Amino acid sequence: GAGVSQSPRYKVAKRGQDVALRCDPISGHVSLFWYQQALGQGPEFLTYFQNEAQLDKSGLPSDRFFAERPEGSVSTLKIQRTQQEDSAVYLCASSLTPDTQYFGPGTRLTVL
Amino acid sequence: AQSVSQHNHHVILSEAASLELGCNYSYGGTVNLFWYVQYPGQHLQLLLKYFSGDPLVKGIKGFEAEFIKSKFSFNLRKPSVQWSDTAEYFCAVKGNSGGYQKVTFGIGTKLQVIP
Repeated sequence: GAGVSQSPRYKVAKRGQDVALRCDPISGHVSLFWYQQALGQGPEFLTYFQNEAQLDKSGLPSDRFFAERPEGSVSTLKIQRTQQEDSAVYLCASSLTPDTQYFGPGTRLTVL
Repeated sequence: AQSVSQHNHHVILSEAASLELGCNYSYGGTVNLFWYVQYPGQHLQLLLKYFSGDPLVKGIKGFEAEFIKSKFSFNLRKPSVQWSDTAEYFCAVKGNSGGYQKVTFGIGTKLQVIP
């Protein structure tokens, strides 16, 4: 595709529900990143994949957060038992080289 | 741990005014530095980057930034802003010790340009 796409663009969840956020990276991009951007803050790193391997998950805030990229392309970020503090924009980025990350539009998650 | 500090959270300028957005970083080694921009309703996109060489880097739309190693700074400048520069600007840093290094972003600066 022309760029990184994410779905859904908006998600409203009741506290305690599980959610799954999808990222379609640019075709051929080996690296994929997830970030969390709270209101009024910059993006904060969550996790990094190189192909299907999750090489860094140090930014995941708790064991309720889980990410996968089983075939080295599409990635899913799953949040179990959502809480209000999980409300944020979740950004996905992909890159071919370490230099430049291309960002998607983000998924705005609101937990009520 | 690496960190980024952006001093101005909200800047309002008139068209044709000069712009300088401050960015300081903390990291105990060589770094790669970035400025990203997010125009209203659009994705985050790269404005410019510094990896090595000339510390004065030029980006798109007339923006430039200067890496001053002694001050741990990477300030963004533009001589004359336009209304279309209204956006949020993020400074970011990545260690450059080889292999994978994660990117750390600053809190962002919202720039509003008044026609």
